[in-house]
Amino acid sequence: QKEVEQDPGPLSVPEGAIVSLNCTYSNSAFQYFMWYRQYSRKGPELLMYTYSSGNKEDGRFTAQVDKSSKYISLFIRDSQPSDSATYLCAMSAYSSASKIIFGSGTRLSIRP
Amino acid sequence: DAGVIQSPRHEVTEMGQEVTLRCKPISGHDYLFWYRQTMMRGLELLIYFNNNVPIDDSGMPEDRFSAKMPNASFSTLKIQPSEPRDSAVYFCASRRETGELFFGEGSRLTVL
Repeated sequence: QKEVEQDPGPLSVPEGAIVSLNCTYSNSAFQYFMWYRQYSRKGPELLMYTYSSGNKEDGRFTAQVDKSSKYISLFIRDSQPSDSATYLCAMSAYSSASKIIFGSGTRLSIRP
Repeated sequence: DAGVIQSPRHEVTEMGQEVTLRCKPISGHDYLFWYRQTMMRGLELLIYFNNNVPIDDSGMPEDRFSAKMPNASFSTLKIQPSEPRDSAVYFCASRRETGELFFGEGSRLTVL
């Protein structure tokens, strides 16, 4: 079993829809949770960063962590075609941890 | 800042040939990481360096893979001999002691 599981999709939704992306994990030591966005033929870029359980909002993006269920989510409101990308969840045990474990990524397409 | 610079962006080679991938991290970043991304396995950490010293190479798949960092501004990942199953996108990433991980745009390797 992988430490981090993520549905690869693809996920296709119409413009303006709310998107929900999710990951589950097995290592209870993880405390730092990240979402990266990767456009086609580019490297991943950090989108959101959260510590422990709870919610964090940044514009149209909300990251949610439920440590009791070992489940994290990324919500995108009012989705735009420019949000079309692969979204990777990532996590680590310490803020300065060098070993960040990535999910395999969910490919998202927003239809105009 | 130019970001993490990788070369070549694309490499097509034949089985058995030596492949060398290059990376220039962001100036001032103490950590350098090499990742491999495939559809099947997602983003995997191969090796990372701290202050030019290899710290963890447990992700290197086998002895055919080697990595060096002769100075703070340059690293190489070498595959010798290459095999078709090495075909993937190889990413270099760097960061400071704490903080965001910055990725290069990747080197797409195809081994025929």
